[in-house]
Amino acid sequence: QKEVEQDPGPLSVPEGAIVSLNCTYSNSAFQYFMWYRQYSRKGPELLMYTYSSGNKEDGRFTAQVDKSSKYISLFIRDSQPSDSATYLCASVADGDKLTFGTGTRLAVRP
Amino acid sequence: KAGVTQTPRYLIKTRGQQVTLSCSPISGHRSVSWYQQTPGQGLQFLFEYFSETQRNKGNFPGRFSGRQFSNSRSEMNVSTLELGDSALYLCASSLLPSDSPLHFGNGTRLTVT
Repeated sequence: QKEVEQDPGPLSVPEGAIVSLNCTYSNSAFQYFMWYRQYSRKGPELLMYTYSSGNKEDGRFTAQVDKSSKYISLFIRDSQPSDSATYLCASVADGDKLTFGTGTRLAVRP
Repeated sequence: KAGVTQTPRYLIKTRGQQVTLSCSPISGHRSVSWYQQTPGQGLQFLFEYFSETQRNKGNFPGRFSGRQFSNSRSEMNVSTLELGDSALYLCASSLLPSDSPLHFGNGTRLTVT
């Protein structure tokens, strides 16, 4: 069993939809949670970074962490075609390496 | 500020050959990590270097090795290439070891035929 599980998709939504991307993790030592976005032929770029349980908002993006259920979510409001990419969740325990989910491919249709 | 630079962007090698990939971290970043990305396995951690010392190593065979130079630049080497080594190899840098977040380069796409 992978330490971070993520539905690979693909997920296809119309422009303007609210997108929900989810991950679960098994390592109770994970303290930091991140979402990366990866466009085709590019490296992952950091989108959101959170430490504690709860919500963190940045523009159209909201990251949610529920440590009690070991659940990580990313919500995208008013999705745009430019949001079409692969989204990777990642978690890390203090002093350890970053562990990634396999990524969810998102396509936003104009 | 320049980002993480990886060279070359694309490589085609045949089985049995060896390959060296290069990574220049963001200026001031002293920790470099390497990841292998494949469609089925996602990003798999290879190793992390800080101050020219390997601090952490993933679960890869000894054919995969790396090093870091005094200017924080890093190289990874894969010897005796196998078809299964075909992947996108990503380098990431951070200020300190095991630091978050990581800043990634655009990777080297290796194809083994």
